[in-house]
Amino acid sequence: DARVTQTPRHKVTEMGQEVTMRCQPILGHNTVFWYRQTMMQGLELLAYFRNRAPLDDSGMPKDRFSAEMPDATLATLKIQPSEPRDSAVYFCASGLVRLAETYEQYFGPGTRLTVT
Amino acid sequence: KNQVEQSPQSLIILEGKNCTLQCNYTVSPFSNLRWYKQDTGRGPVSLTIMTFSENTKSNGRYTATLDADTKQSSLHITASQLSDSASYICVVTLYNTDKLIFGTGTRLQVFP
Repeated sequence: DARVTQTPRHKVTEMGQEVTMRCQPILGHNTVFWYRQTMMQGLELLAYFRNRAPLDDSGMPKDRFSAEMPDATLATLKIQPSEPRDSAVYFCASGLVRLAETYEQYFGPGTRLTVT
Repeated sequence: KNQVEQSPQSLIILEGKNCTLQCNYTVSPFSNLRWYKQDTGRGPVSLTIMTFSENTKSNGRYTATLDADTKQSSLHITASQLSDSASYICVVTLYNTDKLIFGTGTRLQVFP
């Protein structure tokens, strides 16, 4: 049963610390997304990659957030330094994009981040 | 501004009853409209995807409708079960992009 995995599932950290979240997309998927979910804003797109190349990171605070795909099986989202307003659930999703076709996005279980 | 609004914000129904959730959007043009189910503490799971040319799509007891002229969609749940308790999120894909624009969801609670 193929699924997106994320680690850690929960993270509590102090303001100013670095946080790294990891995602393993479904094997064979060529597009990976990072989303953030809060009670106030709902789900928001932060960044996404296709074939490991960043396509859009306009939803991300550039000064403290960075997203990378070191290889096809790993995507990372890093926050440095973290702030209390970064507290949220961060979801990774992956999909297989074929030309001009509608495709599914499969979401991971999320990383719940609390910054104190 | 591209927005997706859902109503009601929350809903309580008894097991076995039907219900309908509403979604209005201003996203234009758009590629497709999706409905997701999100259980507490889990990631969203896709229920239906409709392109702009489709006006209904079913997935078991879930039936979604789309009126692209009025920019409205609905999700109808038939014979609700306790496991239907979740948030239901309406999502519109911006045309010619991969960007999903999410509604804030309807929180459904089904009681025995």
